[in-house]
Amino acid sequence: GDSVTQMEGPVTLSEEAFLTINCTYTATGYPSLFWYVQYPGEGLQLLLKATKADDKGSNKGFEATYRKETTSFHLEKGSVQVSDSAVYFCALITPTRGSYIPTFGRGTSLIVHP
Amino acid sequence: DVKVTQSSRYLVKRTGEKVFLECVQDMDHENMFWYRQDPGLGLRLIYFSYDVKMKEKGDIPEGYSVSREKKERFSLILESASTNQTSMYLCAGRGGATDTQYFGPGTRLTVL
Repeated sequence: GDSVTQMEGPVTLSEEAFLTINCTYTATGYPSLFWYVQYPGEGLQLLLKATKADDKGSNKGFEATYRKETTSFHLEKGSVQVSDSAVYFCALITPTRGSYIPTFGRGTSLIVHP
Repeated sequence: DVKVTQSSRYLVKRTGEKVFLECVQDMDHENMFWYRQDPGLGLRLIYFSYDVKMKEKGDIPEGYSVSREKKERFSLILESASTNQTSMYLCAGRGGATDTQYFGPGTRLTVL
């Protein structure tokens, strides 16, 4: 079945450091790919998405490129802030699972120190 | 903005109690979902619903049931709570024309 693998956390960085959170996937068909973010005490919210190969999703300084050849969707940010501290979830949707039910990774916690 | 609300942020119950977790969405979403979130396990789908009075089992339905009598409300029921159901429970909605899920803030349930 479909699956998403994320790097284990926590990822601990200093403010203004470069961030990469790795995400790879296994899926039948052609998935849409997502990054969701969960700030402390809140539910998940969509950060960015890409629906086809070579698409780049971007939002709030975060970017991720849909790489079909490496089945990856790594999240990057050039300069993190303390306010980026959160848990980040990679997810995919394929029609084989039916009706847009996403498959989530286990989440990666990011801690940014001043 | 889309709004998904959950009836309680924190809940403490005793083993064997019947527990109701309520979720309400205000965007006329056809699809609604219940997940539980546990450290190291991520999100796991318990149940989902495509429409009023319709429900489908997710990946971990055992010990849970759901009710959807109105489009905007999707309830998760623990018939007889057990300590292994201590968890964070997240509700989500999704409109028919979008692939994005909108989540509520979560209910942290502790079963003693």
